[in-house]
Amino acid sequence: DQQVKQNSPSLSVQEGRISILNCDYTNSMFDYFLWYKKYPAEGPTFLISISSIKDKNEDGRFTVFLNKSAKHLSLHIVPSQPGDSAVYFCAAGGSEKLVFGKGTKLTVNP
Amino acid sequence: EPEVTQTPSHQVTQMGQEVILRCVPISNHLYFYWYRQILGQKVEFLVSFYNNEISEKSEIFDDQFSVERPDGSNFTLKIRSTKLEDSAMYFCASSVERNTEAFFGQGTRLTVV
Repeated sequence: DQQVKQNSPSLSVQEGRISILNCDYTNSMFDYFLWYKKYPAEGPTFLISISSIKDKNEDGRFTVFLNKSAKHLSLHIVPSQPGDSAVYFCAAGGSEKLVFGKGTKLTVNP
Repeated sequence: EPEVTQTPSHQVTQMGQEVILRCVPISNHLYFYWYRQILGQKVEFLVSFYNNEISEKSEIFDDQFSVERPDGSNFTLKIRSTKLEDSAMYFCASSVERNTEAFFGQGTRLTVV
């Protein structure tokens, strides 16, 4: 069941540059989307969300873009900081449950 | 800042034993969830709970699993007869409303031996 896909298992960027994390989904019934950040041995931490009626949502250094026609969303982190290094999960919801991607491990190098 | 708390952080149990995982959701939240993550795999939805009853459950959530809100603060997941494949991180989460962000606890690592 690959309703939510994060095709890049890892991403490495330099401190201060932009990090772009991508996510694709297949289920048209999804109507809200979230990004979570996760450290080892901890629970997912909510970062930012977007509903299907919007195409962009911004919160500080984090911006999520949604392209419904392409069933694609992305998370932009600008500027990237070493503390952003973690696994980032995309999640989608259309009912009460969230469907998660496999995650992308982001490493921000000083 | 309010947070979801889970106990214990790590539970080791023998195959066939019953285990209860405990959670205290954020106090003004109305929706409660259990998810699990088997090592190296995705975070998977197990069950959602609203108004003192299960509102949605996945195929994983079979008769071996049950949830309960025994009082005004705790939310528990019981596995009646644990199997080796139940070994995973179990995350409790809660949200204010349906279709809003869910806040997750730190997780309970369940190891079935």
